[in-house]
Amino acid sequence: LAKTTQPISMDSYEGQEVNITCSHNNIATNDYITWYQQFPSQGPRFIIQGYKTKVTNEVASLFIPADRKSSTLSLPRVSLSDTAVYYCLVATTSGTYKYIFGTGTRLKVLA
Amino acid sequence: DARVTQTPRHKVTEMGQEVTMRCQPILGHNTVFWYRQTMMQGLELLAYFRNRAPLDDSGMPKDRFSAEMPDATLATLKIQPSEPRDSAVYFCASGFIGEQYFGPGTRLTVT
Repeated sequence: LAKTTQPISMDSYEGQEVNITCSHNNIATNDYITWYQQFPSQGPRFIIQGYKTKVTNEVASLFIPADRKSSTLSLPRVSLSDTAVYYCLVATTSGTYKYIFGTGTRLKVLA
Repeated sequence: DARVTQTPRHKVTEMGQEVTMRCQPILGHNTVFWYRQTMMQGLELLAYFRNRAPLDDSGMPKDRFSAEMPDATLATLKIQPSEPRDSAVYFCASGFIGEQYFGPGTRLTVT
């Protein structure tokens, strides 16, 4: 199973771009990389998912290098409301699914 | 705007009592998950169903926890008997590979 490693916390200022990197050295061929956002007292919210190269949606971009051993979530021009915990998840599709959430990165956006 | 719903939102019970948590997944989603979140352990996958069939419940203490999906609109998680160490927030999620949509959670306190 691919275990994920993320920084425990990060601080940023409003308007800046934030990049959060996740390491998943044991990722397998059939695994997808997914990122979630969680606010206090709420369930995690799906942000973006990718398999390789770059994926972009209206909220974020996900960069995955060729070896897929890491991924970077990029949040453009963060605001105070982006203060949350961000989780990287590797979802395995070989056989039965396995979903392992890491410890998450606590992002604090400062004014 | 389709959402996963969970009941009850809060539950306080005494040790030894039975607890049943319910989840209504988003219509059309073929996979339903149960997670538990605590400060110490983070997000743990307890069990999941695919097309209503249980695929993996290796994360659950089998002697006291049980998960079922009697129909496509209802998933249940039961704890019998409950113990103080079961105090946590229990999330239900539905979705597909990696892309999961979480409910608001049930906050369980066992005294």
